[in-house]
Amino acid sequence: GAVVSQHPSWVICKSGTSVKIECRSLDFQATTMFWYRQFPKQSLMLMATSNEGSKATYEQGVEKDKFLINHASLTLSTLTVTSAHPEDSSFYICSARVGGGTQYFGPGTRLTVL
Amino acid sequence: QKEVEQNSGPLSVPEGAIASLNCTYSDRGSQSFFWYRQYSGKSPELIMSIYSNGDKEDGRFTAQLNKASQYVSLLIRDSQPSDSATYLCAVNTNTGNQFYFGTGTSLTVIP
Repeated sequence: GAVVSQHPSWVICKSGTSVKIECRSLDFQATTMFWYRQFPKQSLMLMATSNEGSKATYEQGVEKDKFLINHASLTLSTLTVTSAHPEDSSFYICSARVGGGTQYFGPGTRLTVL
Repeated sequence: QKEVEQNSGPLSVPEGAIASLNCTYSDRGSQSFFWYRQYSGKSPELIMSIYSNGDKEDGRFTAQLNKASQYVSLLIRDSQPSDSATYLCAVNTNTGNQFYFGTGTSLTVIP
């Protein structure tokens, strides 16, 4: 099956700093990548959809200036949480999709902001 | 109306029983349907995809699709405690670019 990796898997940072999370499709080229956030015991929440070479489409209520998404190639997308605050602490999960087909999820990144 | 609806549960079944998970969707033209399993603290993993009406079997898992009723289900036979997780239903809409997840059904298999 298709493999998606994320790095780092776990990060702790101080309030006010920025954190970059990488998402890579290892064995396929992903036309679209998605970023989700999940708080404990809650559902996945789609943050944004990105297509290679174009600007990301953010879901309502997600601040695009705070959550910067770059999809530089068909195998790499990055999410940067800028000026992170404790309320940004969450489980961030990316997924990658080929064409209009299946989404494959990365293992997730657990962010803790102190 | 939500695009994809699931009963949040929790659903409890004894070990060895059949677990039945259900999902309805609103876009009649939807073409692709998926079931994911998510263990606590982990990301979702794909269990099955189904595209045509009827049943699709993979080991202990059977996905059932009824497009006329806009209904997709997942049956887990011989349920094991390791099947305890949240199961997410996902639908790719007719336009192909919208992928909606249900809120998930929590399943507990009791030894």
